[in-house]
Amino acid sequence: AQSVTQLGSHVSVSEGALVLLRCNYSSSVPPYLFWYVQYPNQGLQLLLKYTSAATLVKGINGFEAEFKKSETSFHLTKPSAHMSDAAEYFCAVSGNAGNMLTFGGGTRLMVKP
Amino acid sequence: NAGVTQTPKFQVLKTGQSMTLQCAQDMNHNSMYWYRQDPGMGLRLIYYSASEGTTDKGEVPNGYNVSRLNKREFSLRLESAAPSQTSVYFCASSESYGGPLLEQFFGPGTRLTVL
Repeated sequence: AQSVTQLGSHVSVSEGALVLLRCNYSSSVPPYLFWYVQYPNQGLQLLLKYTSAATLVKGINGFEAEFKKSETSFHLTKPSAHMSDAAEYFCAVSGNAGNMLTFGGGTRLMVKP
Repeated sequence: NAGVTQTPKFQVLKTGQSMTLQCAQDMNHNSMYWYRQDPGMGLRLIYYSASEGTTDKGEVPNGYNVSRLNKREFSLRLESAAPSQTSVYFCASSESYGGPLLEQFFGPGTRLTVL
């Protein structure tokens, strides 16, 4: 069984401030972890993924995430928020072949000028 | 290369009506999925097709049926629509089912309202 918890359904930051979106997971097998972004009225796009090659994963648009097994976390960060980062972000987890992708409830990021 | 396409983009139904949502992918992916997205609940899997010729229930299959018409196309049917099925529906595809190749590519969504 696997599950994902995203702490904070809404996060607001000022432009230029650090972005931190939290994701904790549970999985009975070594996980594969993903962050997706959804801009208004669009489908989901992959930001980055962890597949056990490296614990710090860099994605598109300056985002990165660190896999911490001891904390069962995969938090998403960006050093400096931009207005264009305003969107909804989803964390997702999967195990080995045969395990479905399970999504968290999503975090809506708002960026204030 | 269009990726994943969905039709229609918007639909309004009356309770009890039926309709089929269409999805096609041109990436030669083996696996396809239907999700529904509701506020605060993330995406929930309705049905999936791990490979051509197979379909399986996901987390919320009640009230829906699917058909994997061929490798490219995967349709979702609502036989008798209910207001609880008002949602945004996303189709997705992936190279394989499970593991690191599970990265899924999403269509733009269908916004369905059932009155």
